[in-house]
Amino acid sequence: ETGVTQTPRHLVMGMTNKKSLKCEQHLGHNAMYWYKQSAKKPLELMFVYSLEERVENNSVPSRFSPECPNSSHLFLHLHTLQPEDSALYLCASSQVRTDSGNTIYFGEGSWLTVV
Amino acid sequence: RKEVEQDPGPFNVPEGATVAFNCTYSNSASQSFFWYRQDCRKEPKLLMSVYSSGNEDGRFTAQLNRASQYISLLIRDSKLSDSATYLCVVNSYTGGFKTIFGAGTRLFVKA
Repeated sequence: ETGVTQTPRHLVMGMTNKKSLKCEQHLGHNAMYWYKQSAKKPLELMFVYSLEERVENNSVPSRFSPECPNSSHLFLHLHTLQPEDSALYLCASSQVRTDSGNTIYFGEGSWLTVV
Repeated sequence: RKEVEQDPGPFNVPEGATVAFNCTYSNSASQSFFWYRQDCRKEPKLLMSVYSSGNEDGRFTAQLNRASQYISLLIRDSKLSDSATYLCVVNSYTGGFKTIFGAGTRLFVKA
């Protein structure tokens, strides 16, 4: 049983659609993340929210829009995506500490196919 | 140079073999280190933390070499179920926290 839950697990959308991915963490963590993993490629960090403020954005296209209403919930709003955006989108959370650690826990991921 | 580098493999080993992976990192100020395991079409899961003194968890041994800036993972008595991708993770806190994942090393254990 995972402490990070994502919905939907699978999503097929057209290039003109608008959809959202949802993530909820039940671990009491203070940071949440969106990662993208394309086929046979490494994890790509998309967004980080720590204490409900976005602290990092790796030049992700504006067709991806994150929202973090509180420390337990994270959304990724999708609009006018391209077929190359088809990938596994992983939500994660962690308890950021400056002394040591920052163990990241992942949700099971949302498989996105853009047609 | 990538911040975290791993040999992508694949490593093909028979059951019962011992296999070792290395991971190098570029930031000498890195503070904490982990190994994750990712099965095909699944999310990465924490395998073990890596401590300065080295640590062992059953058949798995992780070590850190700060002088040479690498971490290692040793798997003894490989099982078929060990087949997966192993990701190296490095944390640093200079100017804000940063977590870097390696691209992973693919392991196939064969009967």
